[in-house]
Amino acid sequence: EAGVTQSPTHLIKTRGQQVTLRCSPISGHTSVYWYQQALGLGLQFLLWYDEGEERNRGNFPPRFSGRQFPNYSSELNVNALELEDSALYLCASRGPTGPQETQYFGPGTRLLVL
Amino acid sequence: AQSVTQPDIHITVSEGASLELRCNYSYGATPYLFWYVQSPGQGLQLLLKYFSGDTLVQGIKGFEAEFKRSQSSFNLRKPSVHWSDAAEYFCAVGGYGGFKTIFGAGTRLFVKA
Repeated sequence: EAGVTQSPTHLIKTRGQQVTLRCSPISGHTSVYWYQQALGLGLQFLLWYDEGEERNRGNFPPRFSGRQFPNYSSELNVNALELEDSALYLCASRGPTGPQETQYFGPGTRLLVL
Repeated sequence: AQSVTQPDIHITVSEGASLELRCNYSYGATPYLFWYVQSPGQGLQLLLKYFSGDTLVQGIKGFEAEFKRSQSSFNLRKPSVHWSDAAEYFCAVGGYGGFKTIFGAGTRLFVKA
């Protein structure tokens, strides 16, 4: 069974630019989560999508947005990039509710903003 | 309020020695508890999880964790550490619905020869 995949693996942008990160969940998983992990900080929850809808978002400005497609893959968009957006962006997927309340993570996308 | 505390920012252990990483949580309902490991520059890999039943949970790579409700703890243990175990370890607590999963700040494990 294929795991969570993310693309690209690395990305370099300059301040003010926009970026799109992509995530494909494990087959059968309908929920996708996005986290930001900046250097020296823990996982900061960004967004949660389930069945195509945004269910919850963390304490991030509106320039962080995303969507989930009918095949449950997801995009994270960041507009007007700032230096402090440099981080590892992790995507996780989760199976149906109930006993399988586990998030499985992808390898992440490393974003560097210059 | 829901929270997860990993009291140790970093720990250094000699190869072959035993390991215990601490995790304390605060959660208003029956918690689901997880330990993840993250190697440098990588995503998080699930080590083990606890939902119910036996309070001693076995995971991958020889790790185990014990849920102690009275102490609100879910400490991770390994009897003999290998150099490849050097990584960052995250404890997490969640509940029904998944979105309430909260991660601790992580404990960085260093292994010395």
